[in-house]
Order: sequence, then structure tokens, then C-alpha cells
Amino acid sequence: DTGVSQDPRHKITKRGQNVTFRCDPISEHNRLYWYRQTLGQGPEFLTYFQNEAQLEKSRLLSDRFSAERPKGSFSTLEIQRTEQGDSAMYLCASSFLDGEEQYFGPGTRLTVT
Amino acid sequence: AQTVTQSQPEMSVQEAETVTLSCTYDTSESDYYLFWYKQPPSRQMILVIRQEAYKQQNATENRFSVNFQKAAKSFSLKISDSQLGDAAMYFCAYMSPQGGSEKLVFGKGTKLTVNP
Repeated sequence: DTGVSQDPRHKITKRGQNVTFRCDPISEHNRLYWYRQTLGQGPEFLTYFQNEAQLEKSRLLSDRFSAERPKGSFSTLEIQRTEQGDSAMYLCASSFLDGEEQYFGPGTRLTVT
Repeated sequence: AQTVTQSQPEMSVQEAETVTLSCTYDTSESDYYLFWYKQPPSRQMILVIRQEAYKQQNATENRFSVNFQKAAKSFSLKISDSQLGDAAMYFCAYMSPQGGSEKLVFGKGTKLTVNP
């Protein structure tokens, strides 16, 4: 068990560009979550998958954001036409059962210039 | 909507002493879970302790324990015999699978400094 991994760890992009992040959950975990954390704040929920089904999306997830989890394994989070306000740490977490611990990855830090 | 409030943006404690971090939450649900997560500087978030709301007994994990007051909607974290490695941001979080949501709702965090 190597834990939750995220790639890349850091991404610098220019406003208007598209970016894609990847998350690999712990292998036996069927639940996968995306959160966004800005400086000095707690993480805010973006979206959640159970296996390949996207079961919940936050209102924070505008139409520029899309997430997928093909085959119920890894997940990708894409941000189109990035804006400076998208600069944040994007965290991925996974768990096996509801109510159980969510294991977090190291995050992808996005900077939009 | 559920909310989590951490009223102490920063706390400090002397090494080997005890410190308590406060957390209150607002919910109309009866069945839920509460968590304390630790986020060391530039490192990933890890679970410190977890409490199931239907359990009256307060959770403990080694030097970490909680004071769960369900009626008051309070969930404080006590760290005993503080160590330098305890220095981190601490986040209180809430989850209620009732209604089909499994998201964690976090407070804004408390930055804990441990002085040698």
C-alpha cells in the first residue's frame, strides 16, 4: 500500500490555459474525493466518486471543471480556461467505506499567472 | 448546511504540556462522524482521531483524546505531553452520510506551535 498519489505536485500555468491533474487512490478504495484548499483555509469539497460513478458535485465545481474516474481506478480533474482564482492546492482523498477515514494525497499546487 | 467552526486561529504550547483545541459544529442530523486531521507544514493531511456521534464514549488515540459534547455540538481535541512533532495545522471535520453525502466539511483550522 503506497498511499494516495497525485501528479503533478506543482503546476504553473498561464490564465486561459487548460490543466489536468491525476489522482491514484489506495488500490482497494472504491471512494474517491477531490477537495480544494486555499491559503489559510480548510479544504473545500469539490466532487466525489463511488467506483466510476460521480455521485456528488459541489456548487464550487463550475462548468470549467470536470472530473472523471474511468473504470473506478484513478481519477482526473480538468480545469478549462484557468483563472487566477483557481490558484489553490487540489487535494485528492480515498476511502473504503462511508464514515471511515479519508486518506489524503500530497496535493497538486496550482498557480495561475 | 452543516458548518464547522474553529475559533482559535493559532495556539501555542510548551513541550510536554497539554493543549486543547476547540471545535463546534452545526447540524440537524442525528447520525454523523467527527474527525480531527493534522496537516504538518508542506506535508499531507493525516487523521488524528475519529468519533462516531452515536457513541457516548470519547475517542482516544495515545496522547490524543476528544471531549465530545453532542448536545452542545462541541468536539474539542486534547493533546497531552505535547511533542515538537505535533506542530501543525489541525482541522476539525464533519461528515454525515445521511442523505447520501460523504463529503467532509472542514473548519478553517488551528495552527499549533510547540515551544521547546
